[in-house]
Amino acid sequence: QQQVKQSPQSLIVQKGGISIINCAYENTAFDYFPWYQQFPGKGPALLIAIRPDVSEKKEGRFTISFNKSAKQFSLHIMDSQPGDSATYFCAASKGDSSYKLIFGSGTRLLVRP
Amino acid sequence: DAGVIQSPRHEVTEMGQEVTLRCKPISGHDYLFWYRQTMMRGLELLIYFNNNVPIDDSGMPEDRFSAKMPNASFSTLKIQPSEPRDSAVYFCASSSPSVSNYGYTFGSGTRLTVV
Repeated sequence: QQQVKQSPQSLIVQKGGISIINCAYENTAFDYFPWYQQFPGKGPALLIAIRPDVSEKKEGRFTISFNKSAKQFSLHIMDSQPGDSATYFCAASKGDSSYKLIFGSGTRLLVRP
Repeated sequence: DAGVIQSPRHEVTEMGQEVTLRCKPISGHDYLFWYRQTMMRGLELLIYFNNNVPIDDSGMPEDRFSAKMPNASFSTLKIQPSEPRDSAVYFCASSSPSVSNYGYTFGSGTRLTVV
């Protein structure tokens, strides 16, 4: 129940295309769902986050779509750029009651020029 | 702010030796987390502190691992004795619900190699 399942493991997209990464969770107590971006040799960095009271959140080219009934959420990267090539992690936490993040297994994204 | 500072960046040690990893969180952040990253297991939470007090250490692999936070600006993760299977990148992260709205700030990590 504590797991967050992420797919795909790796993704190759052409420049200008849309990158889509999916995550699913079981624990209905989760109420905070962030995405992190990690470049080689660096720590993960917060990219965008959503709470279950909204179904979508957009920040620039990055959008989180959230489906509470299906217990799924996804990251969409519009107009993907080579600079977006990185590993992306979804995560979930129970917010106020726990505040510890459970991370998905990661997706390695490569955007070809 | 310089962000979360971890030291050393790289550590190579022999099996059986003691290893100490260090972390300086962002000033004002009252939560501190230690994660371990490997290809096989991804990002695993080892332990986290709130106001310098350990809250959840259920992710600590075994008694060879210990963590302390003697004050708000410093934490250590110690492995004694170290084993080759401890080789991984260890990350420290800090956060504060009132400051960063639950977002974590990670350090650059310590890459540990045990030979």
